[in-house]
Amino acid sequence: NAGVTQTPKFRVLKTGQSMTLLCAQDMNHEYMYWYRQDPGMGLRLIHYSVGEGTTAKGEVPDGYNVSRLKKQNFLLGLESAAPSQTSVYFCASQQVTSTDTQYFGPGTRLTVL
Amino acid sequence: GDSVTQMEGPVTLSEEAFLTINCTYTATGYPSLFWYVQYPGEGLQLLLKATKADDKGSNKGFEATYRKETTSFHLEKGSVQVSDSAVYFCALPSNSSASKIIFGSGTRLSIRP
Repeated sequence: NAGVTQTPKFRVLKTGQSMTLLCAQDMNHEYMYWYRQDPGMGLRLIHYSVGEGTTAKGEVPDGYNVSRLKKQNFLLGLESAAPSQTSVYFCASQQVTSTDTQYFGPGTRLTVL
Repeated sequence: GDSVTQMEGPVTLSEEAFLTINCTYTATGYPSLFWYVQYPGEGLQLLLKATKADDKGSNKGFEATYRKETTSFHLEKGSVQVSDSAVYFCALPSNSSASKIIFGSGTRLSIRP
């Protein structure tokens, strides 16, 4: 049982390049989330999904797109990376019946030059 | 809207010192309250929770009591260890669907041997 995994762990992009971050969970959770973590700002929700085939915007969605084609996977895309998107990205998942515990992946550190 | 405010860090203590990290919240009703911990290089994980007023959550020697009258959920530990060095996040569920969680900005704790 691997829990929540994220790939890649690190990535450096040039401004304007695109990339996709992959999140996978093996706990059969319905809900999945993408956050970014910046110094002094805690975690901010980018997008989330309440089930396969559904996505919704969070607090800071601009410049990102997501897809949930399979229940276990939640992809975060950057179509044209900007330096302001330099951050650590975390994926999380949660049971529908739970009101508290989100399970987090180890994070992806992204630098945009 | 609902929000969480926690003391700013960093907090540096010597081993075996007493720890308090303050957290206050603003919320509609009486939501569950959580403390999450993020160890270096890892994602967040739930440390403890309390689901109603006067409840005390505890785990790994940490405690926090849900105080309705002061809208607080301060984290305490009687004797910290070097291994407690981490970032601590106070959090509560968003008053919306999809089980979203509102996180505080995090408090970095460093313990000196």
